[in-house]
Amino acid sequence: DTGVSQDPRHKITKRGQNVTFRCDPISEHNRLYWYRQTLGQGPEFLTYFQNEAQLEKSRLLSDRFSAERPKGSFSTLEIQRTEQGDSAMYLCASSPLGTGTEAFFGQGTRLTVV
Amino acid sequence: GDSVTQMEGPVTLSEEAFLTINCTYTATGYPSLFWYVQYPGEGLQLLLKATKADDKGSNKGFEATYRKETTSFHLEKGSVQVSDSAVYFCALPFSGGYNKLIFGAGTRLAVHP
Repeated sequence: DTGVSQDPRHKITKRGQNVTFRCDPISEHNRLYWYRQTLGQGPEFLTYFQNEAQLEKSRLLSDRFSAERPKGSFSTLEIQRTEQGDSAMYLCASSPLGTGTEAFFGQGTRLTVV
Repeated sequence: GDSVTQMEGPVTLSEEAFLTINCTYTATGYPSLFWYVQYPGEGLQLLLKATKADDKGSNKGFEATYRKETTSFHLEKGSVQVSDSAVYFCALPFSGGYNKLIFGAGTRLAVHP
């Protein structure tokens, strides 16, 4: 399967713990995006990378959220000191450079904070 | 700011019925418009898009026309199938980013035999 891969698919954590999610984009896709989707809502854009550069992070939900893409390939999204309100589906997408290109989404990581 | 409003679901139809899912938007300028679909257990997939006013996007029997005068991009299909059961999302890009998308809340479609 050469689609966008996310790991883990499900994560249950206790409030206050840190969690990290991984996204492997389609190879050779320069752009990588993170979204959050809460129940009954559409995805909400969080941040994106072009190669290893994080070009926008102003929409990350708080300073507890951070993302990296150290070598321009896979990316990680970390949430520190999780809260119950962080429970959601976290989606990753990737696309080639250029305008008019389609973004391909992974199946997401479902986070439950108890 | 820019936004997308979709009709609330769920929409329940019998097979072969006509489908309309309404989408209206608020945006600066004339952005591209998209419909994404999320089938059960799968990731979001681009269903169709339109890049300028009066364009019609189409795919898998679905169509949507970019109407700037009514700021709408309604999704239609003439004859739905059980396999079309999914959640449908209307979306547009933030200014300056083609795939930095603003999504509507989604409309769940259930098609019964």
